Amino acid sequence: NAGVTQTPKFRILKIGQSMTLQCAQDMNHNYMYWYRQDPGMGLKLIYYSVGAGITDKGEVPNGYNVSRSTTEDFPLRLELAAPSQTSVYFCASSKSLAGNTGELFFGEGSRLTVL
Amino acid sequence: GQQLNQSPQSMFIQEGEDVSMNCTSSSIFNTWLWYKQDPGEGPVLLIALYKAGELTSNGRLTAQFGITRKDSFLNISASIPSDVGIYFCAGGWDNNAGNMLTFGGGTRLMVKP
Repeated sequence: NAGVTQTPKFRILKIGQSMTLQCAQDMNHNYMYWYRQDPGMGLKLIYYSVGAGITDKGEVPNGYNVSRSTTEDFPLRLELAAPSQTSVYFCASSKSLAGNTGELFFGEGSRLTVL
Repeated sequence: GQQLNQSPQSMFIQEGEDVSMNCTSSSIFNTWLWYKQDPGEGPVLLIALYKAGELTSNGRLTAQFGITRKDSFLNISASIPSDVGIYFCAGGWDNNAGNMLTFGGGTRLMVKP
């Protein structure tokens, strides 16, 4: 039962470097999300997608980009890494929009440190 | 955007004790949800509430959707060591794109055997 798979689990970046966090789900969910988790701050929505080819900004999109070329994959790109992007990133998917049922399936997270 | 205040931020309790945590907001939500995050894992849904006043149980967990739609609580009875983790509330609300979720800051629960 793979569910939502994120890679890498850990990464250290230098300021100004770029990288892509990968996310794949095998549940045929239309809806996918990227959140960041900072201590004591809960989960903040970065970007989300309601289906292949459609993406939209969440609460904290600055400094990130996404694409959704297939139903399964939803990569998150950091173009010019900054220390403020040090965080734990979670990808999630759902059968319907999150606020309708709340049944979000999360990956295990990717811990990113920018030095 | 929508804001959720979750309290307490952390709790350190003895095994067997009951636990209570809550979320409040100045905004109205359509759904209230409670998630648990184990160390090194992503959050997992515990209880979902869809109607104001609704009281729902899942084993030793009980949660309620406040009648004003601006708050919710989660109770855990007779805590055990595996209850350790971070508990998040989340409120569902409508925006132009549809229904979205806002998460609280989390309650970190530690249980002493």
